[in-house]
Amino acid sequence: GAGVSQSPSNKVTEKGKDVELRCDPISGHTALYWYRQSLGQGLEFLIYFQGNSAPDKSGLPSDRFSAERTGGSVSTLTIQRTQQEDSAVYLCASRTGAEQFFGPGTRLTVL
Amino acid sequence: AQSVTQPDIHITVSEGASLELRCNYSYGATPYLFWYVQSPGQGLQLLLKYFSGDTLVQGIKGFEAEFKRSQSSFNLRKPSVHWSDAAEYFCAVGVRTASKLTFGTGTRLQVTL
Repeated sequence: GAGVSQSPSNKVTEKGKDVELRCDPISGHTALYWYRQSLGQGLEFLIYFQGNSAPDKSGLPSDRFSAERTGGSVSTLTIQRTQQEDSAVYLCASRTGAEQFFGPGTRLTVL
Repeated sequence: AQSVTQPDIHITVSEGASLELRCNYSYGATPYLFWYVQSPGQGLQLLLKYFSGDTLVQGIKGFEAEFKRSQSSFNLRKPSVHWSDAAEYFCAVGVRTASKLTFGTGTRLQVTL
């Protein structure tokens, strides 16, 4: 079966533009996570969706970041008015049991 | 809040040599512990996990890790390293099955031939 997929694999944008990053989790996985991997910060949690429950947004760094998950499957992470410090690899993971399966990530570069 | 420390940023070993990557965690109860590997340009792949029971866990690719409660450690080991093991290794902790993971800063492994 297919793993977690993310698109685009690379995104270059200009400072101040909005970007959308997409995650397709493994079919049947009800839990979905977004993490950010950046130089000097390591891997940090951003947001977590579980079924129809309210998402855990405790890791979002600012109100420019938001995410939604439609139909309990695909998720979109949106960054508004991007800043250079948003440059990072954004990783998505879906979970079965206690194991999280990660996608290949989207590398975001803000010029 | 839980935390993870990987004290070694970069390790170089010769192919065929043994390997130990260190991981220390901070959490008041028994955590869920994980080791992931990331090859260049790739996502994270789970090597092994510890939830409870036997403190020595076996993973994929010949890796193992030992949970030592008294030392708050979960070190990753491999008896004989292969050149293909060169990658970045992350230790992570979760406080329950559904929780987010808290990652260490990673250890980059270089393997010399």
